[in-house]
Amino acid sequence: AQSVTQLDSQVPVFEEAPVELRCNYSSSVSVYLFWYVQYPNQGLQLLLKYLSGSTLVKGINGFEAEFNKSQTSFHLRKPSVHISDTAEYFCAVSGRSGGYQKVTFGIGTKLQVIP
Amino acid sequence: KAGVTQTPRYLIKTRGQQVTLSCSPISGHRSVSWYQQTPGQGLQFLFEYFSETQRNKGNFPGRFSGRQFSNSRSEMNVSTLELGDSALYLCASSPGQGANYEQYFGPGTRLTVT
Repeated sequence: AQSVTQLDSQVPVFEEAPVELRCNYSSSVSVYLFWYVQYPNQGLQLLLKYLSGSTLVKGINGFEAEFNKSQTSFHLRKPSVHISDTAEYFCAVSGRSGGYQKVTFGIGTKLQVIP
Repeated sequence: KAGVTQTPRYLIKTRGQQVTLSCSPISGHRSVSWYQQTPGQGLQFLFEYFSETQRNKGNFPGRFSGRQFSNSRSEMNVSTLELGDSALYLCASSPGQGANYEQYFGPGTRLTVT
């Protein structure tokens, strides 16, 4: 079984301040990790993904995330947020289960950037 | 390439009715997954289709069903609608079935059950 925990349901942050959105996962098999972003009235789009290799992954819009296997975490960071970053962010894990791919999403973290 | 399209975008139904939602994946993508998104539950996995076969299913009642056509287009059907079925239904496609594939999401269908 696999699960994803996003520890913060809402994160308010001032514009140009740094932000970290936390994600922890559990799985009995090797997984791949993703962060998606959802802007109002839209579907989700991929921010970044970790498949293998360097544990620091850079994505679009200046976001990056670090895979920490020992802590089973994949926290998302941005050094300086912009108003346009206001959105909901979803962490997801993908692994093989019963011979098939299984994707599990976290419940989401709403990032509110304050001018 | 055109993105994932979903029709209709908005739908209002009454309890007891049934509804069919449609999803057209990105050209060349053979895997289509459906999710239900609600404010309190986040994204809940409904099912995944690959090459016209249901490969995986979430924990939803049998009122929720789907199918995939030979052109990879997919439909989702919900029978005997309940108020709790009000949600945003998202479709996502990916090129294959490997766990390393990212998913490409459509804009969703907003279903309101009254």
